[in-house]
Amino acid sequence: GAGVSQSPSNKVTEKGKDVELRCDPISGHTALYWYRQSLGQGLEFLIYFQGNSAPDKSGLPSDRFSAERTGGSVSTLTIQRTQQEDSAVYLCASSLGLGLYGYTFGSGTRLTVV
Amino acid sequence: GENVEQHPSTLSVQEGDSAVIKCTYSDSASNYFPWYKQELGKRPQLIIDIRSNVGEKKDQRIAVTLNKTAKHFSLHITETQPEDSAVYFCAASINDMRFGAGTRLTVKP
Repeated sequence: GAGVSQSPSNKVTEKGKDVELRCDPISGHTALYWYRQSLGQGLEFLIYFQGNSAPDKSGLPSDRFSAERTGGSVSTLTIQRTQQEDSAVYLCASSLGLGLYGYTFGSGTRLTVV
Repeated sequence: GENVEQHPSTLSVQEGDSAVIKCTYSDSASNYFPWYKQELGKRPQLIIDIRSNVGEKKDQRIAVTLNKTAKHFSLHITETQPEDSAVYFCAASINDMRFGAGTRLTVKP
């Protein structure tokens, strides 16, 4: 597609429920990243995927967070048993490859846990 | 892992003045240094980047400098305009990017 597409744009969920966030990267971009941005804060790295390699999960804050990327394209970030501190904007980005390429970000999913 | 520090956290300038934002990084293997602008409620957008084999890069009113020995890089905006008001993030990349905490720039008309 023309840009990185994320859905839903907003999600309100009750504490303890599971949520799935979706990211559709730019066609041809082999690298896909997830970041979290709390209100007024910076960008916290969560996970990245590059081609068919094993993902780098080093940024995931707890085992309640997981992500997968199917067919080297669409990715889903799953948060199990959501907590109030999970409330944030979850940003997905894609790039032509690792390292020397700028990211194109999606508009994000604003997650609110009540 | 890479650690990026960014200063100042807030910066207020008069329209027409220059603005400078500075970042340092910890991992000497980092080789790509982009800058992103994020307007309120919007996604971060790449405004300029520099690679480790280049010391300076300029694009109209914005420029970035890189000192690999000292592991620091800076963003310079000249002739600031109110539409430059936003949060600016620096980043350093080996494989994935690690971002600074951001600088909220306000340009007063």
